[in-house]
Amino acid sequence: AQKITQTQPGMFVQEKEAVTLDCTYDTSDPSYGLFWYKQPSSGEMIFLIYQGSYDQQNATEGRYSLNFQKARKSANLVISASQLGDSAMYFCAMRDTGRRALTFGSGTRLQVQP
Amino acid sequence: SQTIHQWPATLVQPVGSPLSLECTVEGTSNPNLYWYRQAAGRGLQLLFYSVGIGQISSEVPQNLSASRPQDRQFILSSKKLLLSDSGFYLCAWVASRETQYFGPGTRLLVL
Repeated sequence: AQKITQTQPGMFVQEKEAVTLDCTYDTSDPSYGLFWYKQPSSGEMIFLIYQGSYDQQNATEGRYSLNFQKARKSANLVISASQLGDSAMYFCAMRDTGRRALTFGSGTRLQVQP
Repeated sequence: SQTIHQWPATLVQPVGSPLSLECTVEGTSNPNLYWYRQAAGRGLQLLFYSVGIGQISSEVPQNLSASRPQDRQFILSSKKLLLSDSGFYLCAWVASRETQYFGPGTRLLVL
């Protein structure tokens, strides 16, 4: 069975600083996908970034980058130059090969302070 | 472009009443569709997924059921709601690179 662990229930960061949100995973599948989603207070789940298990380079999408360390089974999200609008819940998720469904972590609440 | 709709946005229902939540996708054909539930302050839990019309797979034993009467329509139902059915229900579909995109969700409160 797959498992996603996010050990930081809450994080604070100053505006314009970078922040790293931790995510570790466990799977026996040789092929998998890792995702990060943002959930603001409105509730919508917003896709941020994707990393495939065979991708050679770490994924980047604007101010978001994924620090993928396969041997350590970690897929940390790095947000550079934090903005007040980044305050939200952030979820790490893994896609399983069979169902193509996502297994989610418990989330990290990020608060950006001015 | 593809769009996913859910309704209603908010629902307050008494215990024992029936439930019907609807999800529709525009701009794509034969998508994989998913129902997730999120309890307050928690991550998402997969409830059902469907790879085609009439094909439903259940992940969690419960008093909920799902149906897919049309290619781009996914319905979540219950005959009798329980207090524990309260939560935020999200529908999703799979796009390129296996990325799942979510609808706006339905907040259900069972009293």
